[in-house]
Amino acid sequence: GESVGLHLPTLSVQEGDNSIINCAYSNSASDYFIWYKQESGKGPQFIIDIRSNMDKRQGQRVTVLLNKTVKHLSLQIAATQPGDSAVYFCAEIGGQAGTALIFGKGTTLSVSS
Amino acid sequence: DTAVSQTPKYLVTQMGNDKSIKCEQNLGHDTMYWYKQDSKKFLKIMFSYNNKELIINETVPNRFSPKSPDKAHLNLHINSLELGDSAVYFCASSQDTISQPQHFGDGTRLSIL
Repeated sequence: GESVGLHLPTLSVQEGDNSIINCAYSNSASDYFIWYKQESGKGPQFIIDIRSNMDKRQGQRVTVLLNKTVKHLSLQIAATQPGDSAVYFCAEIGGQAGTALIFGKGTTLSVSS
Repeated sequence: DTAVSQTPKYLVTQMGNDKSIKCEQNLGHDTMYWYKQDSKKFLKIMFSYNNKELIINETVPNRFSPKSPDKAHLNLHINSLELGDSAVYFCASSQDTISQPQHFGDGTRLSIL
């Protein structure tokens, strides 16, 4: 079945460090991937997305890498700040008729200053 | 000027009751969704509507009935509430095609006593 998972449920870093959050997906037919950030008491907030015809995409302080060979997705956050503390989810397009977002289980990022 | 707003934010009720959650988006999007997030933070698609028409129903019990009076609104009515319905319910919207990031509301925390 389709599933999107994460390698680590929690990640603790120091302020200023670079963070890498990993995600493995199982549906090789997926062609669109998104990273979301969810702060306590809030809804998921879009960070960055990538299509399957790309292997890297950069945003402001964030980079998403896609390795289709091993079905692996990662989110890199440069110079991590306390405000980056949240739960991070990867998601892929899948589900019924291939039109639903399938979310991974989430990685909780804790940034200490 | 919240993009996706849902009410109420908190809902505490007894088992067996019927309740509704409302969602509105002012982004001009054609597609709206309901997701359920359990106590372990796992997010799962429930329904998707495109231009007021149901396009996804991911094996949700028929006690849950979404209603879309217009493309800016997607309400969720739940009959005969059960303990297992306790969760956070998120509404989201996106442009017509699925390959656009979905924008989420801040959730409705439903607690069944």
